[in-house]
Amino acid sequence: GQNIDQPTEMTATEGAIVQINCTYQTSGFNGLFWYQQHAGEAPTFLSYNVLDGLEEKGRFSSFLSRSKGYSYLLLKELQMKDSASYLCAVRSPMDSSYKLIFGSGTRLLVRP
Amino acid sequence: GAVVSQHPSRVICKSGTSVKIECRSLDFQATTMFWYRQFPKQSLMLMATSNEGSKATYEQGVEKDKFLINHASLTLSTLTVTSAHPEDSSFYICSARDRTWSTQSSYNEQFFGPGTRLTVL
Repeated sequence: GQNIDQPTEMTATEGAIVQINCTYQTSGFNGLFWYQQHAGEAPTFLSYNVLDGLEEKGRFSSFLSRSKGYSYLLLKELQMKDSASYLCAVRSPMDSSYKLIFGSGTRLLVRP
Repeated sequence: GAVVSQHPSRVICKSGTSVKIECRSLDFQATTMFWYRQFPKQSLMLMATSNEGSKATYEQGVEKDKFLINHASLTLSTLTVTSAHPEDSSFYICSARDRTWSTQSSYNEQFFGPGTRLTVL
């Protein structure tokens, strides 16, 4: 089966650091994506991991451990505009379409 | 680059009517487009995968006769919700995959449209 777990909600303070975890159990693995989605808008791409380790991109970093089926998204120097849902998605080679399987998303609230 | 548009952005219709939603890749060609549905405070649920020139592949539990998908060109896919009912009210999002993508590509390969808010009265 396909299962991707994320915490439902998190709260953090402006200027702080927050880590959003994602664990997955999927039939095959061909990369893990993190997207940010503000309410009523389309998801926007944040990061992509296919090999183990940390990928850093400005204030955002993403980590992957394929053996543990685990990833996290690290947001530094939080800003109010970072309040959004963060979606973890695994690309699965279940068929030729290599579709994305999304987790339930984590709603992050950044407080002053 | 890599812009995907959806039209309309918002639609309200009466129960029993059909609604067509268009998804266009504006500056790239997309051999594959995906249609998702998202209910409030929930994540994206894949409905179907649309391949240019062939029939769409529907996810389990999605009625193919109710959600008609056509992908007639490399830049356009349409989703028609037939005989819509209030329970079909949702946020529908499409994404398009650049035709140059391969399994060896190490970049984001699905570009999302802005979504269509469907309300069925």
